[in-house]
Amino acid sequence: QQQVKQSPQSLIVQKGGISIINCAYENTAFDYFPWYQQFPGKGPALLIAIRPDVSEKKEGRFTISFNKSAKQFSLHIMDSQPGDSATYFCAAIPSQTGANNLFFGTGTRLTVIP
Amino acid sequence: DAGITQSPRHKVTETGTPVTLRCHQTENHRYMYWYRQDPGHGLRLIHYSYGVKDTDKGEVSDGYSVSRSKTEDFLLTLESATSSQTSVYFCAMKGAANTEAFFGQGTRLTVV
Repeated sequence: QQQVKQSPQSLIVQKGGISIINCAYENTAFDYFPWYQQFPGKGPALLIAIRPDVSEKKEGRFTISFNKSAKQFSLHIMDSQPGDSATYFCAAIPSQTGANNLFFGTGTRLTVIP
Repeated sequence: DAGITQSPRHKVTETGTPVTLRCHQTENHRYMYWYRQDPGHGLRLIHYSYGVKDTDKGEVSDGYSVSRSKTEDFLLTLESATSSQTSVYFCAMKGAANTEAFFGQGTRLTVV
């Protein structure tokens, strides 16, 4: 059972456009929500992360929007560039339990067309 | 890179043979994880460790075992490889709660 649901599976955006990836969860023990970016042949790398006490976090062109009551969060990539073409994973961590395991979404393959 | 390496990077093995993948970190991080990545499934946790000799199962642990005899090394063993274990395996490390997890480059394993 997928604890973090991610959509869409793939996304094609024109250069300069906005890319939006959505995630949802049910487990209220999750309290840390990172996004990872993965290029072909590489391991995932942390892109940006948010805690549920804020509704939005922005780092450059990347913004996480968080809706605690709906148990949803999303990644927005503004002014998308061909170099942003990668697979993006949302994740959630229950920091108060166990070994702080990351539970990942199924990933979104983003293609930015020049 | 973030001080975590996996070996081998690629391996082809026959059904029924045992296989061991190695993860080595130089950061003295407490937590280490093994994930497998498959299309349509994202990254799924196989096993994890929260210290030397302290390990536990993840969501897809059947057919796998792990060992951590030193802080820096976390080994994943496929006891008798099957074709369903063909995948890309990633090791990760984390220093503390709610901190960044660093991933290795991955091991592509093919079981024929």
